[in-house]
Amino acid sequence: DQQVKQNSPSLSVQEGRISILNCDYTNSMFDYFLWYKKYPAEGPTFLISISSIKDKNEDGRFTVFLNKSAKHLSLHIVPSQPGDSAVYFCAAPMEYGNKLVFGAGTILRVKS
Amino acid sequence: NAGVTQTPKFQVLKTGQSMTLQCAQDMNHNSMYWYRQDPGMGLRLIYYSASEGTTDKGEVPNGYNVSRLNKREFSLRLESAAPSQTSVYFCASSVPTGVRSEKLFFGSGTQLSVL
Repeated sequence: DQQVKQNSPSLSVQEGRISILNCDYTNSMFDYFLWYKKYPAEGPTFLISISSIKDKNEDGRFTVFLNKSAKHLSLHIVPSQPGDSAVYFCAAPMEYGNKLVFGAGTILRVKS
Repeated sequence: NAGVTQTPKFQVLKTGQSMTLQCAQDMNHNSMYWYRQDPGMGLRLIYYSASEGTTDKGEVPNGYNVSRLNKREFSLRLESAAPSQTSVYFCASSVPTGVRSEKLFFGSGTQLSVL
């Protein structure tokens, strides 16, 4: 049973517009969340994180929002650029350790 | 700066064959991991090593063995490969960023096909 769920397999956005990638989790003990970005034929790379003591964390064009009551987080990319086209994974540390559990990923395509 | 290096990048095996995936990191990290990526499943943890000399099972350890040879190297062995082990395998190492958070650095992956 997936504890971290990304229900949208893919998303297509026009360059310059906002991209919103969503992630839901089932384990209320999760208190830290990360987003990783993956290009084809490369390993995932860390993008941005958020602690449960915050509801928003911003880094340049990337903002992550956390709604603890809904067990939902989202990654906003504004403005979207063609170089943002990649697979985005949501992840959280398992409660019994720091090992990460990942969502299935969302493929983002930014059209120019 | 190499980071995390995995070999080989591609491998084709026949059912029942064995092989070892190699991984080395040059960042002096204590923790290392093996994940597999399958369509629609995301990345799933196979094995984990918190430090040299220790290993621990992850979500999907069946059919695999690991060796933490030293602080730099963490290998993954398939003793008798099965078609269900066709996947992309990623090695990673990590550095603590907080009490319960680690930042993972991944290798570029090994594409394994078992026929």
